[in-house]
Amino acid sequence: AQKVTQAQTEISVVEKEDVTLDCVYETRDTTYYLFWYKQPPSGELVFLIRRNSFDEQNEISGRYSWNFQKSTSSFNFTITASQVVDSAVYFCALHFGNEKLTFGTGTRLTIIP
Amino acid sequence: EAQVTQNPRYLITVTGKKLTVTCSQNMNHEYMSWYRQDPGLGLRQIYYSMNVEVTDKGDVPEGYKVSRKEKRNFPLILESPSPNQTSLYFCASSSSPPAYGYTFGSGTRLTVV
Repeated sequence: AQKVTQAQTEISVVEKEDVTLDCVYETRDTTYYLFWYKQPPSGELVFLIRRNSFDEQNEISGRYSWNFQKSTSSFNFTITASQVVDSAVYFCALHFGNEKLTFGTGTRLTIIP
Repeated sequence: EAQVTQNPRYLITVTGKKLTVTCSQNMNHEYMSWYRQDPGLGLRQIYYSMNVEVTDKGDVPEGYKVSRKEKRNFPLILESPSPNQTSLYFCASSSSPPAYGYTFGSGTRLTVV
């Protein structure tokens, strides 16, 4: 069975601080995909990134960066110089084979002005 | 514009009154799925469909029905809603099993009183 753990239920930081959201996954498959989604207060789910298990290069997109480490089964997400617009619930998710996309329970991030 | 359209966005109903939440996608995707989101539980899959006339249960199918008569539509049916089905529901589609990530609808917030 596959599983995604987001141990941080809620995080609050002051604007402009850096913040890292943790994601730990479990899967027996060697080929799998990891995702991050953002859910702003309006409720929709916004795709942020997809990473396959063979690509361990870290990714940077503007203020966002992702650290994928197979050795620790982690796929952490860092926001640099956080802004109020980053306030949202963030979900990490895992997929392999023909199985469903399995989500973590989410981390609610609040950026304090 | 490529999108998944869910209706209604908000619905309040009474226990036992049958309802249908519609979902339609315009991307010719084979794979569609329904999730429910509850606080502290993340998103859990209700039903999914690999193609027309092919549907299968997800993690929490009790109390729900689906049909896939056409490729673009995947309605979620609650024959006899109960208060424990109060939740935020998402429809999603993908061009393959979700290795490439889902496109999500905007969500339907259902309250059963």
